[in-house]
Amino acid sequence: GNSVTQMEGPVTLSEEAFLTINCTYTATGYPSLFWYVQYPGEGLQLLLKATKADDKGSNKGFEATYRKETTSFHLEKGSVQVSDSAVYFCALSEEYGQNFVFGPGTRLSVLP
Amino acid sequence: GAVVSQHPSWVICKSGTSVKIECRSLDFQATTMFWYRQFPKQSLMLMATSNEGSKATYEQGVEKDKFLINHASLTLSTLTVTSAHPEDSSFYICSAISLAGALDEQFFGPGTRLTVL
Repeated sequence: GNSVTQMEGPVTLSEEAFLTINCTYTATGYPSLFWYVQYPGEGLQLLLKATKADDKGSNKGFEATYRKETTSFHLEKGSVQVSDSAVYFCALSEEYGQNFVFGPGTRLSVLP
Repeated sequence: GAVVSQHPSWVICKSGTSVKIECRSLDFQATTMFWYRQFPKQSLMLMATSNEGSKATYEQGVEKDKFLINHASLTLSTLTVTSAHPEDSSFYICSAISLAGALDEQFFGPGTRLTVL
């Protein structure tokens, strides 16, 4: 079956540091890929997405590129802020709006 | 826009009782709603997919008679945990896909924490 693997957390960074959270996936077809973020006490929110190979999703300074050859969708941000502290989930959907599979989540803590 | 609410946000109940959790899309109509379960420090596990007016589709291993899902309207889905036991204690999260939006974009509720004593 489909699966998503993420780097284990927690990840602790100082403000303005560079962030990378690795995500790799296994899928039989051509899935859409997502990053969701869950701030403390809130529901998951879509951060960015990419629907086909080589697409780059970006939002709020975060970026991720759909790499079919390495089956990866790593999340990056050049300069993190304290407000970026949250849990980040990588996910895929192989059919439109169906069969969502989430990774285990990576907790990010950014220190001032 | 695209707000999903859940009620209650937390509930404590005795073993053997039933608990109903509501999921509402507040400012959009939802073609499809999903119910997830999240264990501490683990990812979301999809329990079932519900479409308005039809029976829910349950994932393998999820007991449909224990986790009753009703999707009565385009803005409301309910999950009833019947005869709850301590092992049902968990964080339950719903999400919805907008009738007017991208079919692969889910909007999540804030979750309901269920504790069964």
